[in-house]
Amino acid sequence: ETGVTQTPRHLVMGMTNKKSLKCEQHLGHNAMYWYKQSAKKPLELMFVYNFKEQTENNSVPSRFSPECPNSSHLFLHLHTLQPEDSALYLCASSQRTDSSYNEQFFGPGTRLTVL
Amino acid sequence: DAKTTQPTSMDCAEGRAANLPCNHSTISGNEYVYWYRQIHSQGPQYIIHGLKNNETNEMASLIITEDRKSSTLILPHATLRDTAVYYCIATDSNYQLIWGAGTKLIIKP
Repeated sequence: ETGVTQTPRHLVMGMTNKKSLKCEQHLGHNAMYWYKQSAKKPLELMFVYNFKEQTENNSVPSRFSPECPNSSHLFLHLHTLQPEDSALYLCASSQRTDSSYNEQFFGPGTRLTVL
Repeated sequence: DAKTTQPTSMDCAEGRAANLPCNHSTISGNEYVYWYRQIHSQGPQYIIHGLKNNETNEMASLIITEDRKSSTLILPHATLRDTAVYYCIATDSNYQLIWGAGTKLIIKP
C-alpha cells in the first residue's frame, strides 16, 4: 500500500458516456498528478495540482477534465471519449511539485476501456 | 524526450545481484536521479533516488559516477518478484519526472 487509492480499478464505458475517476491520498501531500499509460508507451503526464491549484496541463484534450477540491482528493471527469483513450490512468502524489526533490507515490491505477 | 537511456531488457538469475545501468549525461548539477519499478499493470513503485552520493535502502543500492553521467541500480539478491520494468528518471525544468521506456528485468529461476 502506497497511501494513494484509486477508484474504480476497472472501467468500461461507451463513447457517449460520462464517468469520473477518483484518487485519494492519505500521505499529507500537497501535490497530485494524473498520468496516462497506453500500451507499450511511457507514462505521460496529464495534469499537475500543487496546493489545489493546477500548475500543468500537458495539452490534454478537453474531454478530460480534472478537479482538485482539496489536497487529498483528485478527480478526472471523462466525457465523449475515444477508443484511443483506453489506457491505464495513474494518480500520484508528492510533498510538493515546485522542488528539485519530487518523490512521487502512485496509486494502483484505473484500467479504462472505451468501446 | 527522456534525459535517460537504459537497455531495453535484461535477464538475471534468481539469487544473484541485478545491476541495471542508466546513462544521464545531460542532467544538471541539482537534478536528482530517481528509480522506480512497475510490475505488470500496477502503479509504479518508488525504489531509490540520489543526487551525488551513493545511496542504499532496504530495496536497493544506487551507485552514481563521480561525473554524474551515469548510475547503476543494484538489487543485491534478486527474487522472482523483482521481475518488472525498471525506470531511471530525471526531471524537466518544472521538476516533473520524465519517464522513458525503462528496462524490462526478468529474473529467471
